[in-house]
Amino acid sequence: ETGVTQTPRHLVMGMTNKKSLKCEQHLGHNAMYWYKQSAKKPLELMFVYSLEERVENNSVPSRFSPECPNSSHLFLHLHTLQPEDSALYLCASSQANRYNSPLHFGNGTRLTVT
Amino acid sequence: GEDVEQSLFLSVREGDSSVINCTYTDSSSTYLYWYKQEPGAGLQLLTYIFSNMDMKQDQRLTVLLNKKDKHLSLRIADTQTGDSAIYFCAERVKAAGNKLTFGGGTRVLVKP
Repeated sequence: ETGVTQTPRHLVMGMTNKKSLKCEQHLGHNAMYWYKQSAKKPLELMFVYSLEERVENNSVPSRFSPECPNSSHLFLHLHTLQPEDSALYLCASSQANRYNSPLHFGNGTRLTVT
Repeated sequence: GEDVEQSLFLSVREGDSSVINCTYTDSSSTYLYWYKQEPGAGLQLLTYIFSNMDMKQDQRLTVLLNKKDKHLSLRIADTQTGDSAIYFCAERVKAAGNKLTFGGGTRVLVKP
């Protein structure tokens, strides 16, 4: 099993739908991240959870709502999205109390908003 | 401030060496990383270097760090078609809460 697992791999949703992205890590890490990767744009950090507390929220629209019920699971709840929200959403994890701990990424969820 | 820049594209012939370059602006970087992203996949950590080192070698990969010029490079020896991917450099800045800042990625195309 890979260290960081994301489901679903692909998601197509209409602008009025509500859906959730799921991420699970099996690495014993205690920090989890959501990144957005759009074509021709740098990787954008959306949210950071460290020890299950949200420690960073980079001016992300409220139509994106993260949830971290425990250190192994992270969700991104989506509602009333816009077509420009179509992107690859990447989850990552690391060890929060080791500042040299690299991020380990999942394979992402490819989201298309129609 | 934090800014990490990479060239967009590199084409290399199979068997040659590839050199991917990265520049960063924050002199308080602690660790610098190289990630590889293949089509349809997430970012895979390749290697990283601590900021007080000049060089790190790991099999076909050699990382060179010029801290004075804030320049990082990744050399891939004997480049294979499986090395075709997008390569991202990233810096960890202690002053920014140990956040990772990523470059825009370099697309490497290996031609047979």
